[in-house]
Amino acid sequence: DAGVTQSPTHLIKTRGQQVTLRCSPKSGHDTVSWYQQALGQGPQFIFQYYEEEERQRGNFPDRFSGHQFPNYSSELNVNALLLGDSALYLCASTPPTVDGQPNYGYTFGSGTRLTVV
Amino acid sequence: GEDVEQSLFLSVREGDSSVINCTYTDSSSTYLYWYKQEPGAGLQLLTYIFSNMDMKQDQRLTVLLNKKDKHLSLRIADTQTGDSAIYFCAGGYSSASKIIFGSGTRLSIRP
Repeated sequence: DAGVTQSPTHLIKTRGQQVTLRCSPKSGHDTVSWYQQALGQGPQFIFQYYEEEERQRGNFPDRFSGHQFPNYSSELNVNALLLGDSALYLCASTPPTVDGQPNYGYTFGSGTRLTVV
Repeated sequence: GEDVEQSLFLSVREGDSSVINCTYTDSSSTYLYWYKQEPGAGLQLLTYIFSNMDMKQDQRLTVLLNKKDKHLSLRIADTQTGDSAIYFCAGGYSSASKIIFGSGTRLSIRP
């Protein structure tokens, strides 16, 4: 059973360009969250998608946008890249809550390492 | 506000116990987590505790929660070289809500 799959694994972009990162959630999961992890820092929440809509958003500018598809996969788009956008971008998925029982945390992918030069 | 603080580094001898500490400011966190991150990898959920619990034990891992002081700790018994990693303390309001992470504690094991 594949876990959370992210592509590409590494990416180098030039300042001002646009980038799209992709995530396939774990089988059976319907909610996808994106995190940015700068070097030496903990992950920072960007946004969460559920039923193809943005459900929650962290403190990130509008240059960061996303999308969720009917098959639950998701994309993260970043426009007008800045040097400070260089980071590891992590996707995490969670399963549906079953009969009121909680699920316990996320399943994370290995991330996409984005370098902006 | 939301904040989670951890010490940056911890070095222990192989076979000893490791204790990683964390303090959090948001008392409304209902779930508190410990994640492990190995080099080049994503985050692996190690264990979690509900905010109405004081302690949870899971094999070599023991989590202690002091709600009054907003202090969380992770004890790893019989620390092995494979335990070398960065450990993140994190909190969330509900099971699928956003998670607020600390900056991580790098655990190194010496022979």
